[in-house]
This record gives sequence, structure tokens and C-alpha cells, in this order.
Amino acid sequence: GDSVTQMEGPVTLSEEAFLTINCTYTATGYPSLFWYVQYPGEGLQLLLKATKADDKGSNKGFEATYRKETTSFHLEKGSVQVSDSAVYFCALSDFTGGGNKLTFGTGTQLKVEL
Amino acid sequence: NAGVMQNPRHLVRRRGQEARLRCSPMKGHSHVYWYRQLPEEGLKFMVYLQKENIIDESGMPKERFSAEFPKEGPSILRIQQVVRGDSAAYFCASSPVGTGPGLAGNSYNEQFFGPGTRLTVL
Repeated sequence: GDSVTQMEGPVTLSEEAFLTINCTYTATGYPSLFWYVQYPGEGLQLLLKATKADDKGSNKGFEATYRKETTSFHLEKGSVQVSDSAVYFCALSDFTGGGNKLTFGTGTQLKVEL
Repeated sequence: NAGVMQNPRHLVRRRGQEARLRCSPMKGHSHVYWYRQLPEEGLKFMVYLQKENIIDESGMPKERFSAEFPKEGPSILRIQQVVRGDSAAYFCASSPVGTGPGLAGNSYNEQFFGPGTRLTVL
């Protein structure tokens, strides 16, 4: 079945540091890929998405490129801020056969310090 | 426009009791998804419902769990005879139409998540 593997946290960075959170996936069809962010006490929010190979999703300074050859969708940001502290989830949805469910990774907690 | 509402936010039950979790989708949304997050794990899909219909329940445990989304009112996830292993965060998400490639191409209809219900079974 489909699965998502992302790096374990917590990841602790200083403000303005470069961020990479690795994500790889296994899927039988042609999935769409997503990054969700969860701030303390809140629900998940869609951060960015990519629906086909070589697409780059971007939002709020974050970006990720859909790499079919390496089955990866790594999240990057050039300069993190304290306000980026949250849990980040990589996810996929394989619409082959009409499926609607999201498959999530375990989440990576990011802590940004001054 | 209010977001997805879930209540209660925190629920404590003793073993053997029933838990009822409610989810009110965003206005205009007729599709609801339930996910469960066990400690130290990612979110796992449980069930996908449209108004009065269960579309995909492949992630639901075979016993004690049920879900409904009536014509009027919120979606309900019901857990009978709870056990300690049911302790988790339960998230609901809604979307205006079925999530997936749209008729006009490969558009994605976003699932909007609620804040979750944290269930603790003593």
C-alpha cells in the first residue's frame, strides 16, 4: 500500500537558518504530494502541494519539488523564523481508482530559536 | 466563514464507556473525512462520508467504531466500549466536493482540517 516516510524530529534551528525536512513516498499509482503544517492546538493547514512529477509547490517561503525518480518531496526554506515552529506533515493522495484519502508521514517537529 | 468545528476538544472516558465525537464541516462542504493520530504516529485515514452516505470506510476498525453524516447536523464518530488503545487525537476534515483531480484537469480540492478531539481512556 501507499506510505510516506519523513525524517524524525525534533529539528531545532536558529532563526534565519536553512531548513530541509526530508520526505520519501511509496505509491502504486500517480500520487499528488502535500505538506501540511500544524501549529500548537490547531488543526492541520495545507502548506503546499504538487500534483505531478517535476512540479514545485511553494508558499510562505517554503518550497518542495516532486521528484519521481527519487520518490521524494523534500521541504525547504531558506531562512526560518521563530513563527515557523510547528509540526510538519508530508502526505500523499493517490487518486487512481477514485481514492480520496490522504496518507500521512509521522510528522516532524520544528523548533526555531532566536 | 467559520472553519471546521470539532467538539469536544478534549474527552475523557473510562474503559467500556461510549465516546461520541462531533464534526461540523465548513459551510457549503458536503464531504467529511475522519483521521486518527495515535501517539508518536502520523494521521491515519478512517472513513470518508458524504451526506447520508459512507463512501470509503477502509480505515475503520471492524468493531466498536461507526460514523455517520446525516442530512442535518454534524458528522458523528462513535466509539463503543472504549479501550485504552483508543486514546488518540481524532481529526475531521471537510471539502466542498470529492478530493482529487477535477473535471477541468488535475485540480485538487483541499481538505480543511478541524482542531481535533483528544480522547483519553482511563
